[in-house]
Amino acid sequence: DQQVKQNSPSLSVQEGRISILNCDYTNSMFDYFLWYKKYPAEGPTFLISISSIKDKNEDGRFTVFLNKSAKHLSLHIVPSQPGDSAVYFCAAEDGGSQGNLIFGKGTKLSVKP
Amino acid sequence: NAGVTQTPKFQVLKTGQSMTLQCAQDMNHNSMYWYRQDPGMGLRLIYYSASEGTTDKGEVPNGYNVSRLNKREFSLRLESAAPSQTSVYFCASRLRGAYKSPLHFGNGTRLTVT
Repeated sequence: DQQVKQNSPSLSVQEGRISILNCDYTNSMFDYFLWYKKYPAEGPTFLISISSIKDKNEDGRFTVFLNKSAKHLSLHIVPSQPGDSAVYFCAAEDGGSQGNLIFGKGTKLSVKP
Repeated sequence: NAGVTQTPKFQVLKTGQSMTLQCAQDMNHNSMYWYRQDPGMGLRLIYYSASEGTTDKGEVPNGYNVSRLNKREFSLRLESAAPSQTSVYFCASRLRGAYKSPLHFGNGTRLTVT
């Protein structure tokens, strides 16, 4: 059973607008959440993370929101740029285990000029 | 600073052949990981090494073996390749300690088994 779910396989946004990528999780032991960005033929690169003791973390154009009661996190990109077009993976770490990251299946973001 | 380096970048094998995927990191990280990425499946953990001298199975370990050669290097071996092992393989590392930290990934090895 998937513990980390990204229910939208793809998302298309106009340049300059906001991109919102969503992620749901089922394991209440998850205490660290991350977003990765992946371009074709490259490895995933770390984008932003959030600890379960926070509900928001911001880094430039990227903001991650965590709603623990809903077991939901989202990544906001404002303003979106064509270079943001990539696959975005949500990941979560179980604080009670060996600490391995569990990844979602990814959402492909296309930002159109 | 090279980060995580994987070799080879591409490989084609026939069913039953064996090969070793190499991975090295220069960030002095203590933990290293092997993931595979398949279309529509995300990233799935094959094996990991929490520290030098230890290795453990992940979500999809069947058909693979690993060796943590030293702190820098973590190799993945396919003893008898099968078409189901056609995938993109990513090595990753992180510094595990008192604080949470992200994984750093290599650029992957694209493997095709015919």
